[in-house]
Amino acid sequence: IQLTQSPSSLSASVGDRVTITCRASQGIGSYLAWYQQKPGKAPNLLIYAASTLQSGVPSRFSGSGSGTDFTLTISSLQPEDFATYYCQQLNSYPPATFGGGTKVEIK
Amino acid sequence: EVQVVESGGGLVKPGGSLRLSCAASGFTFRSYSMNWVRQAPGKGLEWVSSISSSGSYLYYADSVKGRFTISRDNAKNSLYLEMNSLRAEDTAVYYCARDLSGIYIFDSWGQGTQVAVSS
Repeated sequence: IQLTQSPSSLSASVGDRVTITCRASQGIGSYLAWYQQKPGKAPNLLIYAASTLQSGVPSRFSGSGSGTDFTLTISSLQPEDFATYYCQQLNSYPPATFGGGTKVEIK
Repeated sequence: EVQVVESGGGLVKPGGSLRLSCAASGFTFRSYSMNWVRQAPGKGLEWVSSISSSGSYLYYADSVKGRFTISRDNAKNSLYLEMNSLRAEDTAVYYCARDLSGIYIFDSWGQGTQVAVSS
């Protein structure tokens, strides 16, 4: 299963609403997770099961979708949110296929 | 506090071997599946291998199958990755990651250990 993220990068301002899309090459139900990675750091789990917020993650992050089309939304971008975001499918082998990433930069 | 700490990375020649370790603390290690995930320089994330909580079930990405071996020692709260026949394309930061619920949701990651394969 291939995961295609769009856009590959975006520029946004603090306070903006940001939406990142992840498309699967075939249906994966709700077996999708989202991670945030800052430069030089390990990824951090944000959302799993397409829309379940991981404990401790701010509520401005939300996820939606099922089947082949998924979105990660940041309702009001904060300075600490500038990072690269990855989607990941966990529905079929090979497990844990990741998307190519979306880099969110400061405008 | 949940913590996983990798070690063992370094510079190795093509065809060489390396053993990575991951020390876990702050949770009941024997209850969780564990994984290795890598990231080549400037690239995205690639799942490498997983091991069930008991160590009975092992899984590998096609890119490392037959060359890498995952193992664990639940008495020592440790995870390992034995890497043989290393290639330039194995150059990456290798992360140890805990599986939240046995279905490849990675909720805790180490800081990573760098592996460089070069002559």
